[in-house]
Amino acid sequence: GAVVSQHPSWVICKSGTSVKIECRSLDFQATTMFWYRQFPKQSLMLMATSNEGSKATYEQGVEKDKFLINHASLTLSTLTVTSAHPEDSSFYICSARVGASGVSYEQYFGPGTRLTVT
Amino acid sequence: DQQVKQNSPSLSVQEGRISILNCDYTNSMFDYFLWYKKYPAEGPTFLISISSIKDKNEDGRFTVFLNKSAKHLSLHIVPSQPGDSAVYFCAASPMNEKLTFGTGTRLTIIP
Repeated sequence: GAVVSQHPSWVICKSGTSVKIECRSLDFQATTMFWYRQFPKQSLMLMATSNEGSKATYEQGVEKDKFLINHASLTLSTLTVTSAHPEDSSFYICSARVGASGVSYEQYFGPGTRLTVT
Repeated sequence: DQQVKQNSPSLSVQEGRISILNCDYTNSMFDYFLWYKKYPAEGPTFLISISSIKDKNEDGRFTVFLNKSAKHLSLHIVPSQPGDSAVYFCAASPMNEKLTFGTGTRLTIIP
């Protein structure tokens, strides 16, 4: 149980275009999903917290107009990188939190999406 | 400010021996701690967790120890197997809030 999928797993796009990444919880409902970014040999950096039916909460330094997050249902959150630039090239990972508030803290992660902007 | 630190970027252990990965934290509000395993180009996989009311949690070959007074936790893997070679991240969270990850330790199991 607690499977999270991401699509696509790998995408190359041209500078200036937009890319959408989907994150799905396959066998559970996730009221909260998280989006992370990982640079080579570095830790996972939280970009934003996505709550179903409400606006995402962005971490300091993350441009909300550039990284659009939508959590339209309890099983799907999307991250759209708008007007992508080469510096946006990275490994993007989503996670979903299992359980209601105070019940469980475990986050289950998707397999990640490798974005390369040329 | 790195609130969760893994001071050893890499560790090599002989197959069959014990692997001990360490993690230190500074935020006294953290009350839940987790370990994740990550292979290159994949998402992290949850391994084991511990809440602040416990000092030990065991799951098969994996045991996590928490020393609250020292703000230190460790992951023990015994016996170590080649498939354990990966990057291990510790993470911590105050109640029901976002996780803060350490910088990771690359574990290599030597056959």
